[in-house]
Amino acid sequence: SQQGEEDPQALSIQEGENATMNCSYKTSINNLQWYRQNSGRGLVHLILIRSNEREKHSGRLRVTLDTSKKSSSLLITASRAADTASYFCATADTGTASKLTFGTGTRLQVTL
Amino acid sequence: DTGVSQDPRHKITKRGQNVTFRCDPISEHNRLYWYRQTLGQGPEFLTYFQNEAQLEKSRLLSDRFSAERPKGSFSTLEIQRTEQGDSAMYLCASSRYSGLAGTYNEQFFGPGTRLTVL
Repeated sequence: SQQGEEDPQALSIQEGENATMNCSYKTSINNLQWYRQNSGRGLVHLILIRSNEREKHSGRLRVTLDTSKKSSSLLITASRAADTASYFCATADTGTASKLTFGTGTRLQVTL
Repeated sequence: DTGVSQDPRHKITKRGQNVTFRCDPISEHNRLYWYRQTLGQGPEFLTYFQNEAQLEKSRLLSDRFSAERPKGSFSTLEIQRTEQGDSAMYLCASSRYSGLAGTYNEQFFGPGTRLTVL
């Protein structure tokens, strides 16, 4: 079953704008990860944030984590057409942090 | 490092047939995972191995599904007596787990095998 939901389900923006996606989850976690998936292809790992971290940056990506609200957000700044993809958050449970439980994904469309 | 590879990339089969997929993880990774993804949904966990030991199986993994990782390297996922509901993308991922406290589990995914059951 899915861990939670992502919001919005779909997002359409113009190149250069920022895109923000939100993820909610249900259980205690070890870490939360964001992945990108281009149409019909495998997932690409973007960033991992630990449960004791609140914010993390990687290039044009900024991730926040609020464990009290069981939520995370992914911000993509200065978006490009190549950012068009589906974005998924995934949580690793506490303990051995083994399997990932994915959200339902946000489909991002960046137009020129 | 050539990444995680999966074979075949696409498989079309008739209902009732058996199919087998292969996954080759990143060479130094000791953990290997299988996930299933249906259209419009996020991947769902099926099972994972640490070295050759299968440590967890999802309830999604019915008795028609079996996975092996005989030498702790590549893995196979077999589906017997396929049903139309088995049509999905089957994703494999691998990671390195040291067993140390505070180890965080970044998983690297392969391109997937898309199964269509007619």
